[in-house]
Amino acid sequence: ETGVTQSPTHLIKTRGQQVTLRCSSQSGHNTVSWYQQALGQGPQFIFQYYREEENGRGNFPPRFSGLQFPNYSSELNVNALELDDSALYLCASSRGGGETQYFGPGTRLLVL
Amino acid sequence: AQSVTQPDIHITVSEGASLELRCNYSYGATPYLFWYVQSPGQGLQLLLKYFSGDTLVQGIKGFEAEFKRSQSSFNLRKPSVHWSDAAEYFCAVGDYQAGTALIFGKGTTLSVSS
Repeated sequence: ETGVTQSPTHLIKTRGQQVTLRCSSQSGHNTVSWYQQALGQGPQFIFQYYREEENGRGNFPPRFSGLQFPNYSSELNVNALELDDSALYLCASSRGGGETQYFGPGTRLLVL
Repeated sequence: AQSVTQPDIHITVSEGASLELRCNYSYGATPYLFWYVQSPGQGLQLLLKYFSGDTLVQGIKGFEAEFKRSQSSFNLRKPSVHWSDAAEYFCAVGDYQAGTALIFGKGTTLSVSS
């Protein structure tokens, strides 16, 4: 078990709504990365935060946004939800930008 | 562009038999390589990693992997599979040109037969 926690565990939204997912990083870690895992696929990198600043972004539209707080916890916000946003959203924390990433259990989002 | 290929979508192995899961990567520099395991509905657990040094890497649960630069491969092995090893296995390369993203393969599902 890692010390990375995510909430909520499951979520159901309708198309067009907005959602906020939360992640608490492992003690001593200052970097949080977010991934989207569609059914039957490998995780896809959304973005990374290092000491409250965005430190890299994958090929996701601007309606995917994030925050990192002074305690290094993080939020992922998705606006104008689409059906294809249905996925498992994984958060990973690490000691720094180039260090090993440890994953939380994920939040499963269903968009109807 | 950086990429990871896991050629086998699904593998079935008898309990007690040996296992090898294949992983090929495409990366311009010296790669950071990882294997993660995912049980149904769960997050990813790190099995092992390669950053540099000895090309044979030992991990948890009796797994090992060998980095072969000439073949751009990082295959995962286990000498004797247990029923509890049934899961989804993901190979990943660290892309340190885009923050520090992990680029994952599509995964290999391992089934263990008795």
